[in-house]
Amino acid sequence: GAVVSQHPSRVICKSGTSVKIECRSLDFQATTMFWYRQFPKQSLMLMATSNEGSKATYEQGVEKDKFLINHASLTLSTLTVTSAHPEDSSFYICSASLGTAYNEQFFGPGTRLTVL
Amino acid sequence: AQSVAQPEDQVNVAEGNPLTVKCTYSVSGNPYLFWYVQYPNRGLQFLLKYITGDNLVKGSYGFEAEFNKSQTSFHLKKPSALVSDSALYFCAVRAQSGTYKYIFGTGTRLKVLA
Repeated sequence: GAVVSQHPSRVICKSGTSVKIECRSLDFQATTMFWYRQFPKQSLMLMATSNEGSKATYEQGVEKDKFLINHASLTLSTLTVTSAHPEDSSFYICSASLGTAYNEQFFGPGTRLTVL
Repeated sequence: AQSVAQPEDQVNVAEGNPLTVKCTYSVSGNPYLFWYVQYPNRGLQFLLKYITGDNLVKGSYGFEAEFNKSQTSFHLKKPSALVSDSALYFCAVRAQSGTYKYIFGTGTRLKVLA
């Protein structure tokens, strides 16, 4: 099956620093990638949809300048949490899709971000 | 507005017994429906999907789901539960037209007791 990786799996940083999370589709080309945030014991909250070569589409309430998304190639999307604060601590999960409505999304293993 | 409901926060079932995890949806048009499983501190793993055709869909790890259009439901089932099935299960829907985004249910924690 299709494999999506995320790096790093876990990161701890100081308040005010920026953190970059990578999402890669390893064995397929993903025209669309999604970034989610998951709080403990809660569902996934979609943050943004990114398409290769174009600007990401952010969900309502998600700060574009805070969560920078770049989808530079068909196999790589990055999420940068800028000037991170403790309230940004969360589990971030990416997914990748072949870009048709009937194709399932393939999820990465997630990144646990802790901001001190 | 589109929505997905998983009415049970937790389902407990004895090992070897059949299990059902419920999901109902509300979308305009024909839905594409998906089930995923999440183990602790992991991403989501795809189990199965309904796009069209047979209402009974078979998926990974012995799971199946039944699409019921009149009841707008897509319940996940397994004839005989295993302790290793204990995890968090998410139902998701995507509208046939427009965006490829998922709408997720709130998740149901399944506990299979030995």
